[in-house]
Amino acid sequence: EAGVAQSPRYKIIEKRQSVAFWCNPISGHATLYWYQQILGQGPKLLIQFQNNGVVDDSQLPKDRFSAERLKGVDSTLKIQPAKLEDSAVYLCASSFGQSYNEQFFGPGTRLTVL
Amino acid sequence: SQQGEEDPQALSIQEGENATMNCSYKTSINNLQWYRQNSGRGLVHLILIRSNEREKHSGRLRVTLDTSKKSSSLLITASRAADTASYFCATVIYGQNFVFGPGTRLSVLP
Repeated sequence: EAGVAQSPRYKIIEKRQSVAFWCNPISGHATLYWYQQILGQGPKLLIQFQNNGVVDDSQLPKDRFSAERLKGVDSTLKIQPAKLEDSAVYLCASSFGQSYNEQFFGPGTRLTVL
Repeated sequence: SQQGEEDPQALSIQEGENATMNCSYKTSINNLQWYRQNSGRGLVHLILIRSNEREKHSGRLRVTLDTSKKSSSLLITASRAADTASYFCATVIYGQNFVFGPGTRLSVLP
């Protein structure tokens, strides 16, 4: 089966610019996650969707980050405006059913903010 | 310490040796999962152990869970150069979501 797709793979922007990431989960997976992984650290959950509803966005910096999952399939994560500390890999994952199950991760988008 | 924290932070072994890494956590969990991350394949799920299980095996991997000590261990037997990666434990807390630890960086030397 096809895995989780993400684009772009790499992005370089200057601070205060905007950027958007796209994710297409595995077909049939109702739950979709966005993680931020800073170099040398474990992934940190930003937001979780169940179908097109938000389940958990407690760690999403809502003053600059936004995410949506229209139609309960693919999703976009936006940062506006970006800060230097947003430099990280942004990982999208999906799982079948509830959040206790195994997660399947995409390759990630490496963001560099200059 | 974090909810899930791996130990050691880094580990270097020779090919063919066994590698053991540990994960400690603070609150009751639904299950605990181990993931591997390398530059080639990204973050990949290895094994899931539920709170009512004590040991699970998958190929060269053996995971144990001690809920009384709030700890888990991952054993990789007969290690290979391809096992070089970062290994993360993810604790799944009742009513909440995954929390990943900072990871153990494993280097398997030929």
